[in-house]
Amino acid sequence: QMQLQESGPGLVKPSQTLSLTCTVAGGSINSDNYYWNWMRQPAGKGLEWIGRIYIRGTTSYNPSLKSRVSISVDTSKNQISLKVNSVTAADTAVYFCARGTPYYYDSGGYSIWFDSWGQGTLVTVSS
Amino acid sequence: QSVLTQPPSVSAAPGQKVTISCSGSSSNIGHNYVSWYQQFPGTAPKVFMYEDNKRPSGISDRFSGSKSGTSATLGIAGLQTGDEAHYYCGTWDSSLSAVVFGGGTKLTVL
Repeated sequence: QMQLQESGPGLVKPSQTLSLTCTVAGGSINSDNYYWNWMRQPAGKGLEWIGRIYIRGTTSYNPSLKSRVSISVDTSKNQISLKVNSVTAADTAVYFCARGTPYYYDSGGYSIWFDSWGQGTLVTVSS
Repeated sequence: QSVLTQPPSVSAAPGQKVTISCSGSSSNIGHNYVSWYQQFPGTAPKVFMYEDNKRPSGISDRFSGSKSGTSATLGIAGLQTGDEAHYYCGTWDSSLSAVVFGGGTKLTVL
């Protein structure tokens, strides 16, 4: 069974860069069938999609975060990375990585669902 | 300020049925497929429904999904205390080119 594990600093100073890594075990990240995603959840609030990467390098980002976010993949290490620049207290949240399964229907409808998640890692932005 | 709208809370007695609604627009629910996630405090979300009404392996048939127009619904029959959790709907928004989620619904089993 595939397992995802987030890692990185739990405390980041304002204006600095938040960097997290998601290590995938129990399966290869090198598949055409999935997107690899980052989500976050501030304490007591809902889920927010940050962005995703396809194994061939294509990325998509939440428009609200696009100017500050980058996602990359290292297939040799089976890892996905997230960087968020110029962080503020509003970036304090639990960050999750998740595998997304996409499917395009002939009707034009699109399905994307997240079947494997990491346990999440809390990142606090504070001086 | 979530793109998808869910009621903040729902409640029902054990054994009863409850429904959780998720309202969107033509650019998201009206055109694309909805998934639902269960989340307990301090843990990661777990998918309970995908492509509107499909259950992943291992999910009880007490859970059902439906969609009409720009709204989706998660139904939970035969409520158990173990069903108490937050539930989130999610889908792709074609105008935003982004995944969007509802704000979440807290289910209380009285």
